[in-house]
Amino acid sequence: AQTVTQSQPEMSVQEAETVTLSCTYDTSESDYYLFWYKQPPSRQMILVIRQEAYKQQNATENRFSVNFQKAAKSFSLKISDSQLGDAAMYFCAYRSTGTASKLTFGTGTRLQVTL
Amino acid sequence: DTGVSQNPRHKITKRGQNVTFRCDPISEHNRLYWYRQTLGQGPEFLTYFQNEAQLEKSRLLSDRFSAERPKGSFSTLEIQRTEQGDSAMYLCASSLLSGSTNEKLFFGSGTQLSVL
Repeated sequence: AQTVTQSQPEMSVQEAETVTLSCTYDTSESDYYLFWYKQPPSRQMILVIRQEAYKQQNATENRFSVNFQKAAKSFSLKISDSQLGDAAMYFCAYRSTGTASKLTFGTGTRLQVTL
Repeated sequence: DTGVSQNPRHKITKRGQNVTFRCDPISEHNRLYWYRQTLGQGPEFLTYFQNEAQLEKSRLLSDRFSAERPKGSFSTLEIQRTEQGDSAMYLCASSLLSGSTNEKLFFGSGTQLSVL
């Protein structure tokens, strides 16, 4: 079974600064998908970014980018130019290919953004 | 497109009672998922439907849990004889599977269940 580990329960960043959230995972599969989801106080999970394991290029979405290290099974999220609206819980998630979206989530990192 | 809607937003019940939650997916989305999220944890997969067919159930889904999607549109999740361990947030998500593997989930805001 796959596992996802987020070792940072809480992180804090100043507005306009950059922060990196860590995620490691364990799998015996060679092809899979990785995700970062944001969960604000409204509770709705929102997809931030997605990475296919077969792609060597790191995914980017505006201010959000990932550092995908397949051999190390590491998938960190970098948020640049942090904004107050980025404050939320962030969850790393894993999904096998060829299956439905049965995501395996980590325990989350709470991100605080300060002025 | 009004997003995924879940009702009720909060439910408080006494142990032993039955509860039912409803999820209205985004119109024309053919897949619908249920996840459960306990305090301090990430969501855990429970079950999913493709149209009206329930294609997979997690081992987390005991026989006290039943989910339906009768016409391939809204879905209900019922918990019979609730236990305190059922206290959690129940999240629904939907997606439109159109042949590619680029499936994107859209989540609702969940139903928070408290069993006293």
